Amino acid sequence: DVKVTQSSRYLVKRTGEKVFLECVQDMDHENMFWYRQDPGLGLRLIYFSYDVKMKEKGDIPEGYSVSREKKERFSLILESASTNQTSMYLCASAGRKDNSPLHFGNGTRLTVT
Amino acid sequence: GDSVTQMEGPVTLSEEACLTINCTYTATGYPSLFWYVQYPGEGLQLLLKATKADDKGSNKGFEATYRKETTSFHLEKGSVQVSDSAVYFCALRPGSARQLTFGSGTQLTVLP
Repeated sequence: DVKVTQSSRYLVKRTGEKVFLECVQDMDHENMFWYRQDPGLGLRLIYFSYDVKMKEKGDIPEGYSVSREKKERFSLILESASTNQTSMYLCASAGRKDNSPLHFGNGTRLTVT
Repeated sequence: GDSVTQMEGPVTLSEEACLTINCTYTATGYPSLFWYVQYPGEGLQLLLKATKADDKGSNKGFEATYRKETTSFHLEKGSVQVSDSAVYFCALRPGSARQLTFGSGTQLTVLP
């Protein structure tokens, strides 16, 4: 089975802090994604990456950046955390084929105070 | 742009009742369609998928048929169990895209 591991289940950070969310997958997938999940809004795509060092903006990239230095690891960075970034963050990976499903991690619940 | 509209929840059913969660979509071209399920405290898991018109996806007693004429992909189950309590997300992937577009999710609670 594909395993997508997010480094933290819960994080509490202060406004203005730089925050790193880490995600690792073990299936040699080319594609990796960061979504945030908010009640009533479903999942919204922040960024995705289709190869090492490659990235594309999703629907809501403002206030975030990403890093993909190795194929198995995709990091989400909040340069200066704000309270409106309090959310559940979900990482996912998928293979190269067009119909490959996304495999999700268990999520990181971030609270910014 | 591409979008998915799901039936709003929450939905509460008794065990063994029939379930339908409506999902309609707007997309250019011929998207693939998916249903994901999220159990409490977990990430999303793929429940079923369909990649072309009239395809039926099925898994764990759940079914959904890709209806191009009505741009719909409704999720159905004939007899729900308490263990089906979860949030269900409908999603689409346009033909050339790598990412999925998700609906807002539908919370299902099944009572014994």
